Amino acid sequence: EAGVAQSPRYKIIEKRQSVAFWCNPISGHATLYWYQQILGQGPKLLIQFQNNGVVDDSQLPKDRFSAERLKGVDSTLKIQPAKLEDSAVYLCASSSSTSQGDTQYFGPGTRLTVL
Amino acid sequence: GNSVTQMEGPVTLSEEAFLTINCTYTATGYPSLFWYVQYPGEGLQLLLKATKADDKGSNKGFEATYRKETTSFHLEKGSVQVSDSAVYFCALRGGSNYKLTFGKGTLLTVNP
Repeated sequence: EAGVAQSPRYKIIEKRQSVAFWCNPISGHATLYWYQQILGQGPKLLIQFQNNGVVDDSQLPKDRFSAERLKGVDSTLKIQPAKLEDSAVYLCASSSSTSQGDTQYFGPGTRLTVL
Repeated sequence: GNSVTQMEGPVTLSEEAFLTINCTYTATGYPSLFWYVQYPGEGLQLLLKATKADDKGSNKGFEATYRKETTSFHLEKGSVQVSDSAVYFCALRGGSNYKLTFGKGTLLTVNP
């Protein structure tokens, strides 16, 4: 079974530029998550989708971050404009449902450096 | 809200030593508890989980027991190997939308 795919793996941009990340979840997984992992910290949930609807985006900085999951499969996360503090690893995860004990499977992440 | 506090690292051990990484949590209700591992250059992988009090999760020689009375989920392994060197994250899942909340992670280095 193929895992969660993410691209690109690495991205370097200057502040105020825009950037987009792509995620393809495990086939059949209805729930998709985007996390931000700042160096030395645990991942923090940015947004959770159930199919193509948003379940939780309470920690997404909506003035600069946006995410979509058209057709309920692939997802993109965009930052516009980027700030220095956005430097982090952006992780995508998926799960088959939203039940409490369900396992989330993580992709390899995209490491963003904002100069 | 929910939170996870885990032992600060880094932790450095010799091969075959005993490992304990402490994890305590604060949550309403009855969360599920997880340990994830992140090997160098790789994504997070689920190591083990427990979904109710007194459950023991185990995998690859690692164990953790869900202790509701002490709100803890400590990770243990009897004999670590060099290949266990990684960052370990304790996490809980609970709340109205079963959001996953992580601790800050503990870096483990095992020397031969």
